[in-house]
Amino acid sequence: NAGVTQTPKFQVLKTGQSMTLQCAQDMNHEYMSWYRQDPGMGLRLIHYSVGAGITDQGEVPNGYNVSRSTTEDFPLRLLSAAPSQTSVYFCASSSVKPREKLFFGSGTQLSVL
Amino acid sequence: AQSVTQPDIHITVSEGASLELRCNYSYGATPYLFWYVQSPGQGLQLLLKYFSGDTLVQGIKGFEAEFKRSQSSFNLRKPSVHWSDAAEYFCAVGAQGGATNKLIFGTGTLLAVQP
Repeated sequence: NAGVTQTPKFQVLKTGQSMTLQCAQDMNHEYMSWYRQDPGMGLRLIHYSVGAGITDQGEVPNGYNVSRSTTEDFPLRLLSAAPSQTSVYFCASSSVKPREKLFFGSGTQLSVL
Repeated sequence: AQSVTQPDIHITVSEGASLELRCNYSYGATPYLFWYVQSPGQGLQLLLKYFSGDTLVQGIKGFEAEFKRSQSSFNLRKPSVHWSDAAEYFCAVGAQGGATNKLIFGTGTLLAVQP
């Protein structure tokens, strides 16, 4: 049972570098989202998508881009990494049917120096 | 706007003791409420959820939570804690519009279990 798969698990970047965090799910979920987790702040929603070709901003979207070309994949792009983006990133997916739960990936720990 | 408050950042209990983790929410209508657990290095796992009906909900791993509208609370309880329960616990509320996947999380409570 793969569920939600995130890669890489760990990444270190220098300020100004770009990278893409990958997220894939094999449950045919329409809804996918990205959260960042910071100490003392819980999880905050970055971007989300309700289907291929449809994305929207969450609570903290600045500095991040997303696209959804397939149902399975929802990559998160950092175009010019900043130290403030040091965090643990979680991808989550669910069905859009009422009262369906979120399934989370195991996270990507990102450090920006 | 909706919000969730978990007033306890860190709690330590002895193995076998009872546990109660506090959660208060702010929401104008009947909320959808959730408790998630995060073990070290892992993603979040759903413990239980409340949508409507019976205000005492049972979850996995022997956890339960009680919805109290008058207190805007959704506290998580377990009668006897096991060492494997050491983890971080997050309370969450569904975003306005009844979404159960677009969640607003509290800041978490880190549970330590003493032998």
